[in-house]
Amino acid sequence: NAGVTQTPKFQVLKTGQSMTLQCAQDMNHEYMSWYRQDPGMGLRLIHYSVGAGITDQGEVPNGYNVSRSTTEDFPLRLLSAAPSQTSVYFCASSYSHGGGGYTFGSGTRLTVV
Amino acid sequence: AQSVTQLDSQVPVFEEAPVELRCNYSSSVSVYLFWYVQYPNQGLQLLLKYLSGSTLVKGINGFEAEFNKSQTSFHLRKPSVHISDTAEYFCAGLNTGFQKLVFGTGTRLLVSP
Repeated sequence: NAGVTQTPKFQVLKTGQSMTLQCAQDMNHEYMSWYRQDPGMGLRLIHYSVGAGITDQGEVPNGYNVSRSTTEDFPLRLLSAAPSQTSVYFCASSYSHGGGGYTFGSGTRLTVV
Repeated sequence: AQSVTQLDSQVPVFEEAPVELRCNYSSSVSVYLFWYVQYPNQGLQLLLKYLSGSTLVKGINGFEAEFNKSQTSFHLRKPSVHISDTAEYFCAGLNTGFQKLVFGTGTRLLVSP
């Protein structure tokens, strides 16, 4: 099925550990982005990419790193996990400038203890 | 400043009653506007979008929204809600550079019998 696939669905990390959240799409979308969702704050943009090899920061980039080596994949790396990074993370993609709307993955629920 | 504002964090309503979820946008957001729905423990699903043309936009599940440029609003409406409409609803807009989707903080719709 076409769409955005995120792995893992759940993860518990200890403070200071690093990990990579995976995101892959098979719709040949140029735009990909990572959001985090926290209660009462809606979705906040972490990083985004307008095409392979091009990434930029969103609202809350600190503590996260991204790369875009292919059109399909857009992994999000947590460099040294902190409890403040406990959140639900969503990857989204869109074609062109996003006028058709974004397609979202099902999310990764991350807990940092 | 918040670019997309959802005025109500929670809206309780009885089944079969009409509902309106309010959304206002600022000048930092383009007039490419969207409503997304998030059911419990799921990702976001596109309900409807406004890009141009008719100011009344119809979406899935009987929802519609009206774009009002003079009031910078994009309110979501449904004439008769069902229990299954219980979910969180997010208003969003593309920034003026068309590279980022900016979200409101969400409105939780609670439909009771």
